[in-house]
Amino acid sequence: DTGVSQDPRHKITKRGQNVTFRCDPISEHNRLYWYRQTLGQGPEFLTYFQNEAQLEKSRLLSDRFSAERPKGSFSTLEIQRTEQGDSAMYLCASSLPVSSGNTIYFGEGSWLTVV
Amino acid sequence: DAKTTQPPSMDCAEGRAANLPCNHSTISGNEYVYWYRQIHSQGPQYIIHGLKNNETNEMASLIITEDRKSSTLILPHATLRDTAVYYCIVRADNNAGNMLTFGGGTRLMVKP
Repeated sequence: DTGVSQDPRHKITKRGQNVTFRCDPISEHNRLYWYRQTLGQGPEFLTYFQNEAQLEKSRLLSDRFSAERPKGSFSTLEIQRTEQGDSAMYLCASSLPVSSGNTIYFGEGSWLTVV
Repeated sequence: DAKTTQPPSMDCAEGRAANLPCNHSTISGNEYVYWYRQIHSQGPQYIIHGLKNNETNEMASLIITEDRKSSTLILPHATLRDTAVYYCIVRADNNAGNMLTFGGGTRLMVKP
């Protein structure tokens, strides 16, 4: 499978714990995006990388959220001190460099339940 | 990016064509129209995109009006597996993030 891969697919954690999600983009896609989706809503943009550089992070929901892409390949999204309101699906997506109409492809998402 | 307006829900009979409308009256000249769909509990799936001309692929056809203020996604022979939320998104071709901004979409229910 050469699509965007996310791990784990499901995570249940206790409030206050830290969680980390991993995303492996499509090979050679230098842009990587993170989104969050809550029930009944469309995906909400969080942050994106071009190679290892995080070019937009102002929409991360709070300072408890952080993302890295240290070698410009896979990325991690960490949520510290989780709260029940963090329960959502976290989506990763990737694309080639921007040119005419390059397409963003999504992974299957990582479901987080905070209890 | 320009905002889009879609009906919240639509029904379609299995085997018939599903025509999903989208209004994007404030679209700019460098903005493409993208369609994605999301089947329950899965990530969004790319369907098709276009700038000015009508487009067709193995999944669907995209009809964009001449003034580019609206478009229609056509699923020619809808099946039960096409039941999903369909998102119409306009996206600028520039280097400023180039991310997708999702609205509420249209919940398409294909019925037997």
